[in-house]
Amino acid sequence: KAGVTQTPRYLIKTRGQQVTLSCSPISGHRSVSWYQQTPGQGLQFLFEYFSETQRNKGNFPGRFSGRQFSNSRSEMNVSTLELGDSALYLCASSQGSEGDTQYFGPGTRLTVL
Amino acid sequence: GENVEQHPSTLSVQEGDSAVIKCTYSDSASNYFPWYKQELGKGPQLIIDIRSNVGEKKDQRIAVTLNKTAKHFSLHITETQPEDSAVYFCAARTTGANSKLTFGKGITLSVRP
Repeated sequence: KAGVTQTPRYLIKTRGQQVTLSCSPISGHRSVSWYQQTPGQGLQFLFEYFSETQRNKGNFPGRFSGRQFSNSRSEMNVSTLELGDSALYLCASSQGSEGDTQYFGPGTRLTVL
Repeated sequence: GENVEQHPSTLSVQEGDSAVIKCTYSDSASNYFPWYKQELGKGPQLIIDIRSNVGEKKDQRIAVTLNKTAKHFSLHITETQPEDSAVYFCAARTTGANSKLTFGKGITLSVRP
């Protein structure tokens, strides 16, 4: 089976712009979770989608949003980018039951100038 | 919410020695504890996990132990090799409506040849 794929792998944006990141889960997986990874804060949970519905949400401002499509692919969007949004954004997929193993993609490196 | 702490932040061992990484968690309702390894430029990769109904789990050179009373769990790597050098993250997952993975800050393991 192919692993979790994320596109693009690298992205450079300027403050105030918006960005959309994409994640394709492992075939058959219905849950996609998004994380932000920074050197100072580590891995922080953004949100989880299951069957096209947001199932859980972390403590991030409303500028961070996401959605999931019927084929389980997911996108996350960050509007009005700030310098502090520079990070590695990781998505992880699982089958969807509580306690299922999450498998991570390689991440998208976002740099905000 | 759940809080996961990981100590120390760096660990250096000689090739062939054992390495032990410890994590503590705060929420006694947590019942799933995975360990991830992250190499430079890659997403975290699951190396072993344990559930709260088990005290120890082993997979070749890697083992994890869980002490629910003390709320801590540890990763043990025996016969370390240079390719074990990476950042290791522990995580804990709570149950219920807000179930999510909470990660420790990570530890950088260096194996000296």
